[in-house]
Amino acid sequence: NAGVTQTPKFQVLKTGQSMTLQCAQDMNHEYMSWYRQDPGMGLRLIHYSVGAGITDQGEVPNGYNVSRSTTEDFPLRLLSAAPSQTSVYFCASSSTGTRRNGYTFGSGTRLTVV
Amino acid sequence: GNSVTQMEGPVTLSEEAFLTINCTYTATGYPSLFWYVQYPGEGLQLLLKATKADDKGSNKGFEATYRKETTSFHLEKGSVQVSDSAVYFCALSDVSLDTGNQFYFGTGTSLTVIP
Repeated sequence: NAGVTQTPKFQVLKTGQSMTLQCAQDMNHEYMSWYRQDPGMGLRLIHYSVGAGITDQGEVPNGYNVSRSTTEDFPLRLLSAAPSQTSVYFCASSSTGTRRNGYTFGSGTRLTVV
Repeated sequence: GNSVTQMEGPVTLSEEAFLTINCTYTATGYPSLFWYVQYPGEGLQLLLKATKADDKGSNKGFEATYRKETTSFHLEKGSVQVSDSAVYFCALSDVSLDTGNQFYFGTGTSLTVIP
C-alpha cells in the first residue's frame, strides 16, 4: 500500500550512541517532515524538507540532522543520543504543500535512550 | 504567529453520548484547519479538514465548521462509539514568509468511550 514507511518501529539506545531513523514515501510528495511526540506537548517539528536537496530546521532541531537526497527518502540522524530524546518520532509527507491537503503520517518510531 | 489551542483531556464518555472537543486558533494568514485522530500505537490519520471560512468538514460521523469570526474549529459527533476512543489533534496549516507551508498542532485530547 502507498504511504509513509518508518523503520524501525522500536529502538533502545544507550546515551551517546548514534542512529538513523528511516522514512520513505512512495507518493512522490514534495514535502516531508519529522515530528516528535511527547506527553502533554503534542507534536513538535524537528526538521522539514520542501524537496530533494532542500532541508530546514523546525522548532526543536538540536541533536538531529537530516538530508534529502531523493524525493522518496528523508532519514533523521541522532548524532549522540541523550535521554531527553526519548520520544515517539513521526515522519510525514504531503503533496503541493500542507495548506490544503494535510500530511500523511507514518506509524512512528518509539525511541528510548537509557 | 500561528498556534492552536484545544481543550485538555482526558475526556470520558458513555457510548452514544454527544462529543464536543473545542479547538481555537490564531493565524497570521488564511489557514486551512484539520482534525487528526491517533489510535493507540498508530500514527496520525486525517479525520477531516476545512480550507476556508464557513466550510464544514465531515467524516465517519464527525464534523467541524471553520468559524473565522470566533477563530474556532470544534469537533463534534452526535453519538460516540467505543471504537472512537483515541487521541484527537486539531491542526492548522498556513503559509509564512519564513517557513513556507507549515503545520501547527494542538496538544491533543484523549477520548475514552465506555460501553
